[in-house]
Amino acid sequence: GENVEQHPSTLSVQEGDSAVIKCTYSDSASNYFPWYKQELGKRPQLIIDIRSNVGEKKDQRIAVTLNKTAKHFSLHITETQPEDSAVYFCAAKVNTGRRALTFGSGTRLQVQP
Amino acid sequence: GAVVSQHPSRVICKSGTSVKIECRSLDFQATTMFWYRQFPKQSLMLMATSNEGSKATYEQGVEKDKFLINHASLTLSTLTVTSAHPEDSSFYICSAVGSTNEKLFFGSGTQLSVL
Repeated sequence: GENVEQHPSTLSVQEGDSAVIKCTYSDSASNYFPWYKQELGKRPQLIIDIRSNVGEKKDQRIAVTLNKTAKHFSLHITETQPEDSAVYFCAAKVNTGRRALTFGSGTRLQVQP
Repeated sequence: GAVVSQHPSRVICKSGTSVKIECRSLDFQATTMFWYRQFPKQSLMLMATSNEGSKATYEQGVEKDKFLINHASLTLSTLTVTSAHPEDSSFYICSAVGSTNEKLFFGSGTQLSVL
């Protein structure tokens, strides 16, 4: 099955700096890679996703890059704000309706004001 | 995005009792739902895949007789934790694939505490 590794486990940045979280996956058949933000005690919220036919996708301060050859993808948050503080999870799956997502171990991002 | 509703949000129960958690897709039909468990400061671990009208598929190490899943309709899946014990205390969260058959949307989760 799929195995997703995520680094770092914790990340502390100053407000306004950029944050980068990296993930690798094992199943070359995986073709859908979402990122979720989870605040304490709440449900994960989808913040951005990318498919394997795209190398990069951007949505305001958030961007995701995908290197399918190397089987890794990254989340980039620019101009970080204190409200970006949360746990971020990457995930991967083969994009059919009955396949579940496999999640990375999570990154706790702390943005210092 | 699609809306997934989960109830209850928090349960405290005595050891040995059973607890039922409901997961509903509110504005779409979900032929497949997924149940995850999340321990404190850990990732989401898939427990089982719930398929409407058929038996659930359990992940390795998850006891199907302890975690009963019923997906009787296209909008409702239930997870029953039978004879709960303190080690079952966790955050249980359901999810469903929206109409695009791609994006996964999560319920609000159920924090189970077994005393």
